[in-house]
Amino acid sequence: QVQLQESGPGLVKPSETLSLTCTVSGGSINDYYWTWIRQTPGRGLEWIGYIHAGGSTNYSPALKSRVTISQDTSQNHFSLKMGSVTSADTAVYFCARGSYPWYFDYWGQGTLVTVSS
Amino acid sequence: NFMLTQPHSVSESPGKTVTISCTRSSGSIDSNYVQWYQQRPGSSPTTVIYEDNQRPSGVPDRFSGSIDTSSNSASLTISGLKTEDEADYYCQSYDSSGIFGGGTRVTVL
Repeated sequence: QVQLQESGPGLVKPSETLSLTCTVSGGSINDYYWTWIRQTPGRGLEWIGYIHAGGSTNYSPALKSRVTISQDTSQNHFSLKMGSVTSADTAVYFCARGSYPWYFDYWGQGTLVTVSS
Repeated sequence: NFMLTQPHSVSESPGKTVTISCTRSSGSIDSNYVQWYQQRPGSSPTTVIYEDNQRPSGVPDRFSGSIDTSSNSASLTISGLKTEDEADYYCQSYDSSGIFGGGTRVTVL
């Protein structure tokens, strides 16, 4: 059974960089599309982007200028960096596994990130 | 990009049937697969339907998905409603990006 677990700071200051890691167990990240999704009460679920096992990435046009997703296959984890954050980036961040890549079949439990000084 | 529009909420009694619509704003609903996710409070989403009408193993056959090109919408139908079905349901599709509907709160009266 594939399991995903997000980790990272729960509080980030405005204008700084949000950094999260998703550790995958029960399966290798050497296949599939490893995805970040966030959720806010006001905007619902929002797809952020993915990294494919081969290293290619695809980002939401709305966030592309601020987001980088990377992977470490030796550690079997992938990461999200989002720069120049504002209060609008306060959300629960989920990592997920994407099949083909648009079916998200496994999700992490989610981690709340608050942007505040 | 297109948008997916869902009703904010639906409610029905136990044992009854509810249908949640998901209307695509532009382009054809059958151009890209639609998934449906269930999210209970405090939990992450789980799949109830993928690729328009496929059920993952473990999802009861009370859940079904369909596509209607005449209304350019997808639908999730839950029959024989149970209290455990009370949750938020999200449709999801894609073009070059992933796209989610706004979610529908299902209340079992």
